[in-house]
Amino acid sequence: DAGVIQSPRHEVTEMGQEVTLRCKPISGHDYLFWYRQTMMRGLELLIYFNNNVPIDDSGMPEDRFSAKMPNASFSTLKIQPSEPRDSAVYFCASSPQQGWRQPQHFGDGTRLSIL
Amino acid sequence: QKEVEQNSGPLSVPEGAIASLNCTYSDRGSQSFFWYRQYSGKSPELIMSIYSNGDKEDGRFTAQLNKASQYVSLLIRDSQPSDSATYLCAVNALGTDKLIFGTGTRLQVFP
Repeated sequence: DAGVIQSPRHEVTEMGQEVTLRCKPISGHDYLFWYRQTMMRGLELLIYFNNNVPIDDSGMPEDRFSAKMPNASFSTLKIQPSEPRDSAVYFCASSPQQGWRQPQHFGDGTRLSIL
Repeated sequence: QKEVEQNSGPLSVPEGAIASLNCTYSDRGSQSFFWYRQYSGKSPELIMSIYSNGDKEDGRFTAQLNKASQYVSLLIRDSQPSDSATYLCAVNALGTDKLIFGTGTRLQVFP
């Protein structure tokens, strides 16, 4: 079975540009999570969805960040406008129903560099 | 107060030794506990899950959970250089579907 698929794998762009990260969860998984990982702060949860509905976006750093899940097989995380401090690795993860009891499976991540 | 705490390391052990990684958590009602391994430049990979007090063994890995003391540990027997990675402890946030991750312990296994 295919795992969580993220694109692009690497993104380098200039400050002020819009950045869109994409994620395809594992088929049949009801939960989708977006994380950001930096050396300083470790792995931080940004937002998660259950059955395409955003449940908790308290980790989204500010209004420049937005996330959508238009259907069960696709989600986007958008940063507009981007800033150098947004540079990090962004992971998408998914898990089956009963999310609290199930492990999360991570995609390969998108390494984002904002110049 | 951090919700999930781990010693950042590095923890250095010789090849063939037992590596012991520890994690403490603050939510007394947490019910699900996971250990992930993350190689440099890669994504976290699940290696163990544990839900009940006691030990759970899977090959060279043993997870130990003590809910009364609020700690979970991971033992790696017969450590190999390929075990060198960062190990992340994750605990479910009480009443939610979220996992709270520790900052990870870096393990170095030297030949």
